[in-house]
Parts: sequence; C-alpha cells; structure tokens
Amino acid sequence: DSGVTQTPKHLITATGQRVTLRCSPRSGDLSVYWYQQSLDQGLQFLIQYYNGEERAKGNILERFSAQQFPDLHSELNLSSLELGDSALYFCASSVRGQGNYGYTFGSGTRLTVV
Amino acid sequence: QKEVEQDPGPLSVPEGAIVSLNCTYSNSAFQYFMWYRQYSRKGPELLMYTYSSGNKEDGRFTAQVDKSSKYISLFIRDSQPSDSATYLCAMSLTGGGNKLTFGTGTQLKVEL
Repeated sequence: DSGVTQTPKHLITATGQRVTLRCSPRSGDLSVYWYQQSLDQGLQFLIQYYNGEERAKGNILERFSAQQFPDLHSELNLSSLELGDSALYFCASSVRGQGNYGYTFGSGTRLTVV
Repeated sequence: QKEVEQDPGPLSVPEGAIVSLNCTYSNSAFQYFMWYRQYSRKGPELLMYTYSSGNKEDGRFTAQVDKSSKYISLFIRDSQPSDSATYLCAMSLTGGGNKLTFGTGTQLKVEL
C-alpha cells in the first residue's frame, strides 16, 4: 500500500456521461498530481494541485477538471466522455510542490467508456 | 518525436542475468532522473532517482545518467522472476519542475 488512495478502482460508463475520480494523498503530502495512462501514449501529465491551489497544467482536455479540497483530497471530473477517454487514471502525491525526487502513485482508476 | 524515448520491449532474460534498460531524451534542461517499476494493474513505484550526471547504486539496482549523450540507464544485477514488470524512466526540469515526463516503459520478463 503506497498510502495514496484512489476510488473507485474500476468504472464502466457510457459515452456522453460524467464521472468523478477521487484521490486521497499520502499523509503529510500537500501536492497532488493526476496522470492518464493509455497503451499508446504512456503516462501523460494532466494537472497538479498544491495545498488547494492549481500549480501546473498539462495536456488536460477542457472536458476534464479537477480540484483539491481543504482536507487535501482531490477529485478529477471527466465529462462528455468519449471512447478515447478509456484509460488508467493515476493520482500521485508529494510533500512539496516539486516532482524532482519523484512522487508516490496510487493504484489507479481504470475507466472504460462504452 | 517524443521528449523521452524508451524501447517498449518485451525483454526476456533468464534468472540471474544482468538487465540493462535505457532511455534517451531530447530536452537538455532535464536535471532529475527517475526509474519507476510498474506491475500489471498497479501504480508505478519509485525505484531510484538521480540528479544530473553520474551513477547511483541501491542493492541490485544501478542508475546511470549521461547528460552529454542525453542517455540514462538502469542496470539490474542477479535478476529475479519478481523483477518481471514494466520499467518506466521519468525526468523533470531543474528549478522545481512540477511534472514528470515519462518514457512509455520497457516490459521485462525474467524467466526461471
């Protein structure tokens, strides 16, 4: 157990729907990162939050949004889902706002859009 | 062209072999280099990180960075079946780069 908790583990939904993925960072970690992993693209950075504030944005679609709450848990909202959004979504956390020394990943949420 | 290139494999070796995994990158501003191990249906697990050029050893694992060639390596000595996984290289920029840029991963199988 890495200490980063992601729920749900699996999600199957239809095209056009909206889902919310949840992440609880490791105790003491202030920064949360969201990544998407697909077979052809590998791990792609989506967005980072640090202590409730958005810190960095990557290749995140406009249909996707995220937030970090005062208790430091984070949610990733995916809307108007398309077949191509099927992927593994990982959350990771680190103590500081920097990824220079690596960060700790959760076990991921496997999203299947049908 | 991707910023980080990694041979996807699969790489199959006998138990006890020395494994060499490699990545090349194009952005000379990368200063921090990491190796992650990912078992099937699990999240990536940090194995090692290094700063700038040089070697770092941790048990059976050795990480090497050659910034002049934009090339990093991970060596696994005395490989075990439990080392069978996908190995991902990752790197970040100096000055507090927030995101890690990953290679696509090399699938390794260590056979009995």
